[in-house]
Amino acid sequence: AQTVTQSQPEMSVQEAETVTLSCTYDTSESDYYLFWYKQPPSRQMILVIRQEAYKQQNATENRFSVNFQKAAKSFSLKISDSQLGDAAMYFCAYRSPWDTPLVFGKGTRLSVIA
Amino acid sequence: DTEVTQTPKHLVMGMTNKKSLKCEQHMGHRAMYWYKQKAKKPPELMFVYSYEKLSINESVPSRFSPECPNSSLLNLHLHALQPEDSALYLCASSQVSSNQPQHFGDGTRLSIL
Repeated sequence: AQTVTQSQPEMSVQEAETVTLSCTYDTSESDYYLFWYKQPPSRQMILVIRQEAYKQQNATENRFSVNFQKAAKSFSLKISDSQLGDAAMYFCAYRSPWDTPLVFGKGTRLSVIA
Repeated sequence: DTEVTQTPKHLVMGMTNKKSLKCEQHMGHRAMYWYKQKAKKPPELMFVYSYEKLSINESVPSRFSPECPNSSLLNLHLHALQPEDSALYLCASSQVSSNQPQHFGDGTRLSIL
């Protein structure tokens, strides 16, 4: 079974600085999909960014980018120019191509310091 | 604004009550999901509906009964719940394809007295 590990339960960053959240996963599949979700105190899970394993290019969405290292099974999230609104719980998630459920990591709570 | 609407936002019920949680989406998604989330934990999958048919039941107790009356609606019927069932219940929807992300609602905060 696939597993997703987020080794940083909590992180903090100064406003306008850059922070990287780590995620590693374990799988024997060669094709799969990876996601980062953000959950602010308002509760809604919001998709931040996604990566398809067959694409070598790292995904980017505005201030959010990933460093996808397929051989190392690593999928870290970089947030540039951090804003107060980025404070949230961040979950890394894995999905195989066989229409199976998402596998979530335990999450990283990010605090942004003004 | 969320594209997946859940009602109610908060629910307090006794252990003998019967209540229902509702979820609605109009994005044309044919896969819908129920998750349970405890504080500071990731969501735990409960049920998956694909094309209005139950495709996954993650060994959820029978006091939780899902229903998908049409492609836009998903219900979770609750009966004789236990205090440990108090949690945030999240609904999500997606295209029936693994590369498509799930879109989540705001959740229903459920408290069992």
